[in-house]
Amino acid sequence: DIQMTQSPSSLSASVGDRLTISCRASQSVTNFLNWYQQKPGKAPRLLIYSATTLQSGVPSRFSGSGSGTDFILTINSLQPEDFATYYCQQNADIPLTFGGGTKVEIK
Amino acid sequence: EVQLWESGGAFVQPGGSLRLSCAASGFAFRNYAMTWVRQPPGKGLEWVSSIGPKSLATYYADSVKGRCTVSRDDSKNTFYMDLSSLRDDDTAVYYCARASSLVGSTPTYFFDYWGQGNLVTVAS
Repeated sequence: DIQMTQSPSSLSASVGDRLTISCRASQSVTNFLNWYQQKPGKAPRLLIYSATTLQSGVPSRFSGSGSGTDFILTINSLQPEDFATYYCQQNADIPLTFGGGTKVEIK
Repeated sequence: EVQLWESGGAFVQPGGSLRLSCAASGFAFRNYAMTWVRQPPGKGLEWVSSIGPKSLATYYADSVKGRCTVSRDDSKNTFYMDLSSLRDDDTAVYYCARASSLVGSTPTYFFDYWGQGNLVTVAS
């Protein structure tokens, strides 16, 4: 199984900050890497697929980069609605696996 | 508008079984794979199972393999998960999601639309 490791597991940030979240795969997933946002009590929402492609309707302050085993989710100019938990997911191989999540809290 | 609606969540005793249903609308259901993802209370996301278009392929996580069967009824735009021999660690919110792939019929799925989630509690 491909293990996905996110760092940090949590962070505190302020509105307007630029933040980055890391996701590392235990083996290469090429660009089969996706990012989701989840708010408390809500279903996850797809933000980015294929490592870098922004899902329709997602604000352009979100971006993804990386390939192989190391990936980054960047949020430019953090907005109040961005405080949430973020998950990466690899879709290179079955079983499909998620990272443990990164909780973004208000500083 | 794509909509997914789960039903069937319940309070179930260990060793019991349940069927979750997911009704879909707003897209060509028969052309898409569908997936179940679960989330234990206060924990992260876990992929559980997927079924391809036309029921040609099914995929299961090791944690449910042998206890889980996914199926679909394209005439009703609905897909199902039957889970048996339920254990305490099956307690979770179960989400259905549409599974998309950019690589033909391979299970390289990402999940672009999600249902609201349905709580399954396994306890005596």
